[in-house]
Amino acid sequence: GAVVSQHPSRVICKSGTSVKIECRSLDFQATTMFWYRQFPKQSLMLMATSNEGSKATYEQGVEKDKFLINHASLTLSTLTVTSAHPEDSSFYICSASNPTDTQYFGPGTRLTVL
Amino acid sequence: EDQVTQSPEALRLQEGESSSLNCSYTVSGLRGLFWYRQDPGKGPEFLFTLYSAGEEKEKERLKATLTKKESFLHITAPKPEDSATYLCAVQDRLAGGFKTIFGAGTRLFVKA
Repeated sequence: GAVVSQHPSRVICKSGTSVKIECRSLDFQATTMFWYRQFPKQSLMLMATSNEGSKATYEQGVEKDKFLINHASLTLSTLTVTSAHPEDSSFYICSASNPTDTQYFGPGTRLTVL
Repeated sequence: EDQVTQSPEALRLQEGESSSLNCSYTVSGLRGLFWYRQDPGKGPEFLFTLYSAGEEKEKERLKATLTKKESFLHITAPKPEDSATYLCAVQDRLAGGFKTIFGAGTRLFVKA
């Protein structure tokens, strides 16, 4: 099956700093990538959809200036949490869709903001 | 309004006790329905894609079926390693693209 990686898998940072999370599709070209966050014992909450070479589409209620998304190539998308605060602590998961629109998920990144 | 509802919320089975998980959906134009498995602290793992009513797919002890209103994930003779949260997601056709809606998941516990 298709492989999607995320880096880092776990990050702890101080309040006010910015954190960048990378999402890569390793064995296929993904025209669309998705970013989700997941709270404990809850389902996935879509944050934004990004298409290679264009601006991301954010879901209602997600701050564009806080969660910066860059989809630089067909295999890489990045999510930057700017000026992180404790309430941003969460599990962030990316997915990449293949030509049949099946979404393959990365392993997730656990962000803890102190 | 698009909606995806999974039931039950949690399911406890004995090893070997077969059962089914349900995913009911309401969308304007179904593009596809997906089943995923998620272990704690990990990203979801893709299981199946179903595109049209009547379609069925199997993988080891799992079998997914689809009607116009719902999908079932049948688990035959489950083992403890099948314990996980099973997520259902539905893609709705939109002008110029699609929208994916996830259900809240069913947490499955299989006891040896």
